[in-house]
Amino acid sequence: GAGVSQTPSNKVTEKGKYVELRCDPISGHTALYWYRQSLGQGPEFLIYFQGTGAADDSGLPNDRFFAVRPEGSVSTLKIQRTERGDSAVYLCASGTGESTEAFFGQGTRLTVV
Amino acid sequence: GIQVEQSPPDLILQEGANSTLRCNFSDSVNNLQWFHQNPWGQLINLFYIPSGTKQNGRLSATTVATERYSLLYISSSQTTDSGVYFCAVRMNTGFQKLVFGTGTRLLVSP
Repeated sequence: GAGVSQTPSNKVTEKGKYVELRCDPISGHTALYWYRQSLGQGPEFLIYFQGTGAADDSGLPNDRFFAVRPEGSVSTLKIQRTERGDSAVYLCASGTGESTEAFFGQGTRLTVV
Repeated sequence: GIQVEQSPPDLILQEGANSTLRCNFSDSVNNLQWFHQNPWGQLINLFYIPSGTKQNGRLSATTVATERYSLLYISSSQTTDSGVYFCAVRMNTGFQKLVFGTGTRLLVSP
């Protein structure tokens, strides 16, 4: 596609529920990143994929968070037993390699009520 | 980990004015990007500039990697330049995540 696409744009869920956030990277990009941005803060790293494998998941805050990229293209960020503190904008980015320019999607705004 | 500090944190300009935003980082990097986050939250790529100088219209950027800083110049500012400007860097040892700076919030008034 022309750019990184994230769906849904907005998600409101109840505390304790499970959510999935989707990212479609730019076609041909092998590197894919997930970030989280809280109000008034800069984006914070969650996880990095090179192809199908998670090369670095050191930013995932706890075991309620998990991400997959089974075919090396689309990625899904999964959050179990959501908490109000998980409310944030979740950003996805892709690039041609780990040291190259990263391009971001428009983000998914997650609100846990 | 690497520290990335941006200054000033907030900036208010009259339309037409020029400004310089600064990004200091604490270690050697192989990737530096400047982004503009618009009021809708979209991160827009401005420059990919691990070293050297680049220009794009009213914007230009310079990175002096050996001295660990980068500058973003905005000339003849417009109201549409308002938003938050982030620099983001990646260390040059193994895989390193892109680390964002603290941001500069810019408001350009008509």
